[in-house]
Amino acid sequence: QITLKESGPTLVKPTQTLTLTCTFSGFSLSTTGVGVGWIRQPPGKALEWLALIYWDDDKRYSPSLKSRLTISKDTSKNQVVLTMTNMDPVDTATYYCAHIPPSTVTTSSEYFHHWGQGTLVTVSS
Amino acid sequence: DIVMTQSPDSLAVSLGERATINCKSSQSVLYSSNNKNYLAWYQQKPGQPPKLLMYWASTRESGVPDRFSGGGSGTDFTLTISGLQAEDVAVYYCQQYYTTPPITFGQGTRLEIK
Repeated sequence: QITLKESGPTLVKPTQTLTLTCTFSGFSLSTTGVGVGWIRQPPGKALEWLALIYWDDDKRYSPSLKSRLTISKDTSKNQVVLTMTNMDPVDTATYYCAHIPPSTVTTSSEYFHHWGQGTLVTVSS
Repeated sequence: DIVMTQSPDSLAVSLGERATINCKSSQSVLYSSNNKNYLAWYQQKPGQPPKLLMYWASTRESGVPDRFSGGGSGTDFTLTISGLQAEDVAVYYCQQYYTTPPITFGQGTRLEIK
């Protein structure tokens, strides 16, 4: 059974750096083709993809946020960490991490198979 | 970036009736070499994370009731719920994974009971 759980601060001040951790079980990020992604959702709004990391440390970022994001993994701890710098009130959202099923050499399966419950991050002074 | 546009933004359907949600991509998400449409559908109920319903446009995720079906190809897709049930009230999102980054989602369609 695959589970994921996000953790991190619920409140950050403008200009601060947000660090979120996704702790997962039921799969390994050392398995070929597997990935973990981060998606956020402002209150009452749509989903927005942020970043993803693959088993081989391949990293992808949203072009609009790339300068502010860093994603990393600790395979031994079954964790993926996302940092976002220079937080602003518009970054207030529920942040989700999600499992990406194994891709193959010929087929990239970048959809989100299992999701964490999400963590609400509020940016306010 | 591929822009995903859903229609309608909201939809009210009677119990037992059919609900159809549309998703249009700004460019084709059909990969000719494997004939797969790189499109997924999610259901999000209030206070819950999204749940994967469909991938490859029409492959139903394990455990998803067969009243849910996905169709379309290229740039135009549909999610159909046949025989709407009360538990289907949710917001539905489409997502393309053909050209990444970025992965992009539609704006969502809110489904309610009439």
